[in-house]
Amino acid sequence: GQQLNQSPQSMFIQEGEDVSMNCTSSSIFNTWLWYKQEPGEGPVLLIALYKAGELTSNGRLTAQFGITRKDSFLNISASIPSDVGIYFCAGQPTNAGKSTFGDGTTLTVKP
Amino acid sequence: KAGVTQTPRYLIKTRGQQVTLSCSPISGHRSVSWYQQTPGQGLQFLFEYFSETQRNKGNFPGRFSGRQFSNSRSEMNVSTLELGDSALYLCASSLARGTAGNEQFFGPGTRLTVL
Repeated sequence: GQQLNQSPQSMFIQEGEDVSMNCTSSSIFNTWLWYKQEPGEGPVLLIALYKAGELTSNGRLTAQFGITRKDSFLNISASIPSDVGIYFCAGQPTNAGKSTFGDGTTLTVKP
Repeated sequence: KAGVTQTPRYLIKTRGQQVTLSCSPISGHRSVSWYQQTPGQGLQFLFEYFSETQRNKGNFPGRFSGRQFSNSRSEMNVSTLELGDSALYLCASSLARGTAGNEQFFGPGTRLTVL
């Protein structure tokens, strides 16, 4: 089946630093989604990408859909303590209802 | 617009029992998907319902089942609970129509503990 490799598994950074994480797949996806999950809550959608090469921003977050359609990355600029959480990538083939998730990147931001 | 709601938020059951979890999608969303989240396995897809029909199914045993009602609300049922079923069960809804139809919005989840 489809698998997503998300890296890094965890990051410990200082407030103000930039963050970069990525996902690679063995299969092509039509949609890439990036989520953030905080303790006790469900994942919250941050950015959705629909076209190969697409670059989309949401505040300090920027994500790109790789041109091969097998990868995506998420950047967070000037991190702040509330960025702490687990970030997940998710890919969808053709069907809207089924997402394959990466294992997540746990982000810790030290003030 | 209200988000995805899931009930109950927490549940404790014993092995062998069965459980039913409920999910109300965002108004206007017609697709509901269920995921199991555990520390060791991450988010695993269970199944997806659209217009009261199961459209996709993940690799879970037949003890896991679901259904969707005409108002798009969905339930999932787990029979003969096992210790390994302890997890956070997440429901996600999407429009399933148009460019933005792929965007899934998650509820807060139901934390199931099997003793």
